[in-house]
Amino acid sequence: DADVTQTPRNRITKTGKRIMLECSQTKGHDRMYWYRQDPGLGLRLIYYSFDVKDINKGEISDGYSVSRQAQAKFSLSLESAIPNQTALYFCATRPEGGGTDTQYFGPGTRLTVL
Amino acid sequence: GDSVTQMEGPVTLSEEAFLTINCTYTATGYPSLFWYVQYPGEGLQLLLKATKADDKGSNKGFEATYRKETTSFHLEKGSVQVSDSAVYFCALRSTGFQKLVFGTGTRLLVSP
Repeated sequence: DADVTQTPRNRITKTGKRIMLECSQTKGHDRMYWYRQDPGLGLRLIYYSFDVKDINKGEISDGYSVSRQAQAKFSLSLESAIPNQTALYFCATRPEGGGTDTQYFGPGTRLTVL
Repeated sequence: GDSVTQMEGPVTLSEEAFLTINCTYTATGYPSLFWYVQYPGEGLQLLLKATKADDKGSNKGFEATYRKETTSFHLEKGSVQVSDSAVYFCALRSTGFQKLVFGTGTRLLVSP
């Protein structure tokens, strides 16, 4: 079973709709991240969380919100979706300390906003 | 701010060819450097990393050396395979920060 799962894997929605993307992990990591990937732009950080009570904005947080419901769950919401939020969204996790820099990525959610 | 610059792709090679994907960075202090790989339809996976100058990261036949004097971390492989076809991302983590900064990615296409 995958350690980091994302649901849904694909979603098509209309402008103005509220959308929630979910991420769950079984790795027991404290740190979780949401990125979006756009062609030619690489990955850009939207939000990150170091634990349930510690949530921080990334470089492109406008138009997004997050919820860390538990250590294992980190959801990304688009309150009112717009077409330029069409992208591939990735969740990632990382353990606290332990001397490792490795982030573990989920398989991604492809979101299309019409 | 910190940034990573990668060569644009796609890079198209025949099987068994030599691969180089260039990566340069701008950062304060002494960042850790990474290469991540994204296979079709999948998330990113760590390929290799280096945490200090002159370190060489290696994995699956790929290598990259942390060159502080040229602020570079070029990815190399002596003989690519079709299964190496993927998008490769260079990334850095600055000292004291817990976030990764990614390059734009370079797509590699290897033909038989």
